Amino acid sequence: EAQVTQNPRYLITVTGKKLTVTCSQNMNHEYMSWYRQDPGLGLRQIYYSMNVEVTDKGDVPEGYKVSRKEKRNFPLILESPSPNQTSLYFCASSLDFGVYEQYFGPGTRLTVT
Amino acid sequence: GENVEQHPSTLSVQEGDSAVIKCTYSDSASNYFPWYKQELGKRPQLIIDIRSNVGEKKDQRIAVTLNKTAKHFSLHITETQPEDSAVYFCAASSPYDMRFGAGTRLTVKP
Repeated sequence: EAQVTQNPRYLITVTGKKLTVTCSQNMNHEYMSWYRQDPGLGLRQIYYSMNVEVTDKGDVPEGYKVSRKEKRNFPLILESPSPNQTSLYFCASSLDFGVYEQYFGPGTRLTVT
Repeated sequence: GENVEQHPSTLSVQEGDSAVIKCTYSDSASNYFPWYKQELGKRPQLIIDIRSNVGEKKDQRIAVTLNKTAKHFSLHITETQPEDSAVYFCAASSPYDMRFGAGTRLTVKP
């Protein structure tokens, strides 16, 4: 089944404790992206990747890191989480950037206390 | 960069009525305009999209219109049903940027 998976789905952590949210797709998509969703603000892009080893900042990259060592995986890293990073996070992938549907993962609800 | 505004933020209609959600964008280079539906607790999923060389597209009860001159596009849902209740997001994509609107929470009352 073609899909985007994320883990964990739910995470409660404390300020400053490094964490990684994994994202994997099995559709051989070139483009992958991370979004955060906050009430009233819609989906805001954190980072995106056009291809392996190519990543770039989105609208709200502060406090986040990513890597794209393999085509299928695009982990999101929070080196020192803070309470303002409490949010719902979605990974997405598409065949390429631009005029293609984005397939979203199931979401990761992160709470930082 | 692109800026997408979406209205209204909430919309409540009676079952069977039509619903219209409007979006405006700022980047004239935008050429792809998808609409996503997000049901409660679920991921956004594409319901319809339109490219800049097309003015209107329809898929059963859902239609999207695009006015490139005015830089706005709209989602039309006819004969609404309770299962249409969800948050709807518009987006605009240029060759280098994609932005989402803030979302519209649609409630269809039976």
